[in-house]
Amino acid sequence: QKEVEQNSGPLSVPEGAIASLNCTYSDRGSQSFFWYRQYSGKSPELIMFIYSNGDKEDGRFTAQLNKASQYVSLLIRDSQPSDSATYLCAVKAGSYQLTFGKGTKLSVIP
Amino acid sequence: NAGVTQTPKFRILKIGQSMTLQCTQDMNHNYMYWYRQDPGMGLKLIYYSVGAGITDKGEVPNGYNVSRSTTEDFPLRLELAAPSQTSVYFCASSAGTADQPQHFGDGTRLSIL
Repeated sequence: QKEVEQNSGPLSVPEGAIASLNCTYSDRGSQSFFWYRQYSGKSPELIMFIYSNGDKEDGRFTAQLNKASQYVSLLIRDSQPSDSATYLCAVKAGSYQLTFGKGTKLSVIP
Repeated sequence: NAGVTQTPKFRILKIGQSMTLQCTQDMNHNYMYWYRQDPGMGLKLIYYSVGAGITDKGEVPNGYNVSRSTTEDFPLRLELAAPSQTSVYFCASSAGTADQPQHFGDGTRLSIL
């Protein structure tokens, strides 16, 4: 069974700091990796996606992928209180289906 | 920008009742999905569709049915509602290949009492 593991948190960081969110996955055939942000009571919204090993940057967000270690991470620089949310890692491997982790709750303290 | 529209937003059902959750997208996406999300949990795939007339089971299909008669619509049917189906239901769609990200509707919060 394909599994995606995330630390449930909560992860608390001070405003302006770097938040580091981590995700591991079990299926070595996984091809695509997505990070979604979900505010309480709202639907998931896509933050970033990454397909290749290495780093991908978009504004304050950086996704990092290491397929050999089956590890994907999301860094949020200059964290803001508005970044406080649950971050869902999702992985796709050879099908139309995404497998989601349970999410990490991030709290940015002003 | 309508995107993915779900109705209703909230619903309370009695055990044994049935209902249909509606999902419509205006992005001409071929792929559509239904998920449920229980408190503190990730999203579990119920059913998905890769095009009109084509549907398949996901991870937790028991107690649900779907149909896909048009590209735009992908309704989810609950036949005999059970308390275990109390959850938040999200519909999503994506374009092109399965590598494209999924776009989510606002969700339907369903309680079975």
